[in-house]
Amino acid sequence: EAGVAQSPRYKIIEKRQSVAFWCNPISGHATLYWYQQILGQGPKLLIQFQNNGVVDDSQLPKDRFSAERLKGVDSTLKIQPAKLEDSAVYLCASSRGGLSYNSPLHFGNGTRLTVT
Amino acid sequence: ELKVEQNPLFLSMQEGKNYTIYCNYSTTSDRLYWYRQDPGKSLESLFVLLSNGAVKQEGRLMASLDTKARLSTLHITAAVHDLSATYFCAVDRNFGNEKLTFGTGTRLTIIP
Repeated sequence: EAGVAQSPRYKIIEKRQSVAFWCNPISGHATLYWYQQILGQGPKLLIQFQNNGVVDDSQLPKDRFSAERLKGVDSTLKIQPAKLEDSAVYLCASSRGGLSYNSPLHFGNGTRLTVT
Repeated sequence: ELKVEQNPLFLSMQEGKNYTIYCNYSTTSDRLYWYRQDPGKSLESLFVLLSNGAVKQEGRLMASLDTKARLSTLHITAAVHDLSATYFCAVDRNFGNEKLTFGTGTRLTIIP
């Protein structure tokens, strides 16, 4: 099966600019996650979708970050305006129905964002 | 708040040696995952541990879970260079809520 697809692979922007990331999960996976991985750290959950509804966005900095999954498939994550501390790899992950299916999350290759 | 700690953070070992990576977590959980990450790459699932006493093995790697001690171990047997990577454990933050909290990672370097 095809894996989780993400684009772009790399992005360099200046602070205060905006940026958007795109994710296409594995076909049939109902749950989609966005994680932020700062260099040298473990991934941190930003937002979780179940189909097209938000399950948890408690760690999403909502003053500058937004995400949507309008048709329950693809998702976009946006940052506006970006700050230097947003430099990180943004990972998208999906699973069939969440962890209760006892299946691991499948991660995409991520988008490496550098804010200058 | 769930905290997941790994140790050591960095590990350099010679080929052929055995070693163990430890993962401690702060609140009750019955599900623990191990992932591998190569430099510049995404995370690859290694093991899913679902109950107390669970043990899983794949090649030179073996993972175990002790939910009473809130401890998981990843044991490496007769290390080879190909195992060089960063290893993360991750815990289901709230059972049934299906969100993972990741540890800090252990960067493993195998020296020929």
